[in-house]
Amino acid sequence: QVKLLQSGAALVKPGASVKMSCKASGYTFTDYWVSWVKQSHGKSLEWIGEIYPNSGATNFNEKFKGKATLTVDKSTSTAYMELSRLTSEDSAIYYCTRVYYGLLLYYFDYWGQGVMVTVSS
Amino acid sequence: DIQMTQTPSSMPASLGERVTISCRASQGISNYLNWYQQKPDGTIKPLIYYTSNLQSGVPSRFSGSGSGTDYSLTISSLEPEDFAMYYCQQYDSSPPWTFGGGTKLELK
Repeated sequence: QVKLLQSGAALVKPGASVKMSCKASGYTFTDYWVSWVKQSHGKSLEWIGEIYPNSGATNFNEKFKGKATLTVDKSTSTAYMELSRLTSEDSAIYYCTRVYYGLLLYYFDYWGQGVMVTVSS
Repeated sequence: DIQMTQTPSSMPASLGERVTISCRASQGISNYLNWYQQKPDGTIKPLIYYTSNLQSGVPSRFSGSGSGTDYSLTISSLEPEDFAMYYCQQYDSSPPWTFGGGTKLELK
C-alpha cells in the first residue's frame, strides 16, 4: 500500500534552516509528482510547490520561492523540503503528498502524517 | 491567484443529518475542484476529485456537484466518523493551487 512517511518534529531558531524528509513506499516513486502543503496553526492549507522525482522538475507557489527548496533522492524514494531563513511565520505543519495527475485530473491522493516545525529562540 | 471561499466555516449537525458545504471560486474553474477531509489527528485524505468523482474507498454518502464558480460537498446521512474538517481545492489552469478556508463539521 502507498505510504508517505515524514520525518519528526523540528524546533529551530529564527534565521536557521530546516530540512524535512518524506519517504515514499508502495509505488514507483519516479512516476508521480510530490507536492508539499503548509498548514499554519488553526488555519487552512497552502500549496508550496511540487517536484517530479524522475527529472527533478519543480513548480512553486510564488509566495514560497526563495523560502522552500525541493529535492529528491531516487535511490531511497525520498523527497526533501528545505526551508530557509526561518521566522515565526514558518511555524506550521508541513505535509508531503503524492499527486495524481491525469487527463482533467490533479489531486493529492496520498498524504504524509505531517511534520510540525516550530521556530523559536 | 484564485481565491476559494468556503461556507460555513463551522457547522453543528446531528447524526443521520444531511449536510452541504459550499465552496465558491473567485473566477470560473471549469470543474477543477477537489474535496479533502482532515481528521482531528491531522490525517488528510481525498474524498471527491474533479467536482463529483468519489475517491476509491470513500463511502457513497459523500457526493460532490457544481460548475462555474460554485461547488458543493454533500454528506447524505452523517456518521460519527464524518465529524472532521473539510477543504475544497482548485486546480484550474496554472499554479498556485489553492484551498478553501475549511469547514469544521461538529456534533450538535
